[in-house]
Amino acid sequence: EVQLVESGGAVIQPGGSLRLSCAATGFSIKDYTMHWVRQAPGKGLEWVSHISWDGGIKYYSDSVRGRHTVSRDNSENSLFLEMNSLRFDDSGRYFCVKGRFGAAGAFDLWGQGTMVIVSS
Amino acid sequence: SYVLIQPPSVSVAPGQTAKIICEGNDIGSHSVHWYQQKPGQAPVLVVYDDRDRPSGIPERFSGSNSGRRATLSINRVEAVDEADYYCQVWDTSSNHPWVFGGGTQLTVL
Repeated sequence: EVQLVESGGAVIQPGGSLRLSCAATGFSIKDYTMHWVRQAPGKGLEWVSHISWDGGIKYYSDSVRGRHTVSRDNSENSLFLEMNSLRFDDSGRYFCVKGRFGAAGAFDLWGQGTMVIVSS
Repeated sequence: SYVLIQPPSVSVAPGQTAKIICEGNDIGSHSVHWYQQKPGQAPVLVVYDDRDRPSGIPERFSGSNSGRRATLSINRVEAVDEADYYCQVWDTSSNHPWVFGGGTQLTVL
């Protein structure tokens, strides 16, 4: 079955760090751009980060740039998001997303997400 | 950064046509993608590149895009279509290139 499965979400104190993982099954991620998208409770979708097929190009939203780092291991068919200096507004469900084709491509496969709660 | 505006809610009776608007500066020059999200579920792509449908999406879903407005149309609306819908574009004019609209909650009366 073609799917993305996220893990690593937790309840964490402000200022803490967390590493999210995303495992792909049923297809190889090496040919695709990948993204992280988050959704705060009761709110809309917010794009967080992009990584090119080979990991050479990375983009971040203004809200996470300098604190979060995206990476990938194509040999392990996995995507990661290293989250540092966590803030209350980092709370939400984090979705691992596959880009359809290239940077402009639609997000055509979503994982079920992993929940991050930043709380003191 | 680029901004996409959607109405917070749209209501439609079963069997009628729902039109969900997404407005943005010169959005007609962008490829617009649409996602459906039901409560507690991950979003699903329903229209990409303005008007194309992924396999498995009913023909009742269609899209258009011109000028300052993109539209997702759902013909012969069914109760199962009740969900939140988001538009999204890729805009190279900023360092925050992937942008979502705020989302529209579709209610089937």
